[in-house]
Formats: sequence, C-alpha cells, structure tokens
Amino acid sequence: GEDVEQSLFLSVREGDSSVINCTYTDSSSTYLYWYKQEPGAGLQLLTYIFSNMDMKQDQRLTVLLNKKDKHLSLRIADTQTGDSAIYFCAGRTGGGNKLTFGTGTQLKVEL
Amino acid sequence: GAVVSQHPSWVICKSGTSVKIECRSLDFQATTMFWYRQFPKQSLMLMATSNEGSKATYEQGVEKDKFLINHASLTLSTLTVTSAHPEDSSFYICSARDDSREFGETQYFGPGTRLLVL
Repeated sequence: GEDVEQSLFLSVREGDSSVINCTYTDSSSTYLYWYKQEPGAGLQLLTYIFSNMDMKQDQRLTVLLNKKDKHLSLRIADTQTGDSAIYFCAGRTGGGNKLTFGTGTQLKVEL
Repeated sequence: GAVVSQHPSWVICKSGTSVKIECRSLDFQATTMFWYRQFPKQSLMLMATSNEGSKATYEQGVEKDKFLINHASLTLSTLTVTSAHPEDSSFYICSARDDSREFGETQYFGPGTRLLVL
C-alpha cells in the first residue's frame, strides 16, 4: 500500500509564508489532496491537484507537485492565526475511492 | 453545498453497550461512504467502505462483527460499535463521495464523533 509521510510540526510567525511538505510512495496516485483539521473537528478539503499538474494556486494556497521525487507541498501565503491547525495530505489512485492520509503536520502560527 | 453531518457529535457509554453513529449527506447523494478512526495526534485510518444496498468492505484488521455498518439509503450510513470497550474510545469520522462528481474533490468529511467508553 501507499505510504504518505509529513513532518510533524511547523511553527511560523503571523504574516509569513508556511510551507508544509509531503512525500508519497505510490507513483500511480492520480489525485493528491490537502485537508485541514481544526481541534475536535472533521476534515476540511482545502485543495487538490491532479497528477498531470505541476502547480495549482487558489488564493493564498499554492500546491506544488514534483512527480519525479514524489513530493507535494502546500504553501500558505500571509499565514494567519486562524490557519493554526493540522494539515493532512492524502493520495488517491485511479478510479478507486480510497484515500491514504499522511501523518499530519501541526501548524502553529505565532504572533 | 456538499455538507456531511454526523450524529451524535460525542457520546459517553458504559463498557459492554452498543453505540450507533449516523453519517448523513445533506445535499447530495452518496452511494459510497467511508468510516475512519483517528487516535489522538494521529492520522486517519480507514476502517471500512460503506456501499448503499450492499455489504460494507472492511479494511484488514477491522472486525466486521464489532463495527457494523448499514447503508440503507443514498444519504445515510450508520456505524454501530457493538459491545464497546475502553479501547474503542476514539474519534470516528465519516466521509461521503458525491455521486454527481466524477473526479477531484469527491469526498466530503463529517465533523466527527468522539466516543468515550468507560
């Protein structure tokens, strides 16, 4: 099965950019997602990228995909305190519905 | 749009009792729903895939007789934790796949149900 790895913790200052990284093992992953989880809550889909794309930008969020290195990143511009949460990357292969989640990165935004 | 609800949001029960958790897609139809379990400070682990009108597909290591899944309609799936024990205490999250969307953002997650078994 697929393994998806993330760094556990990231701390940034308010207003700075945050970059959360994710590596995956299954090169056949066709969709890669970023989800946000606030304390005690479910997962909120932030954005996703199809495997034939290198980059996707959506307002403050930029997703970069390096298929060769199987590396995915999420950049949050002008990080705010409300961005403090756990961020999960997840991969989905082909027509299957199953998602494999990364270990999650806790983002802490400091004033 | 694309809202998934779960009920209850939290439950405390005695060991040996059964607990039913509901997952509803409020504004879309979902032939397929998923049940995940999340331990504190850990990632989500898929427990089973719930299919409307047919048996659920369980992941390896998940006891189907322990975690009963029923998907009786296109908007409702239920997870029943039978004879719950303290080790079943966890955060249970469901997701639903929007039948009208074929690609990309197809799964929407519920807010989760926190179960504490005493």
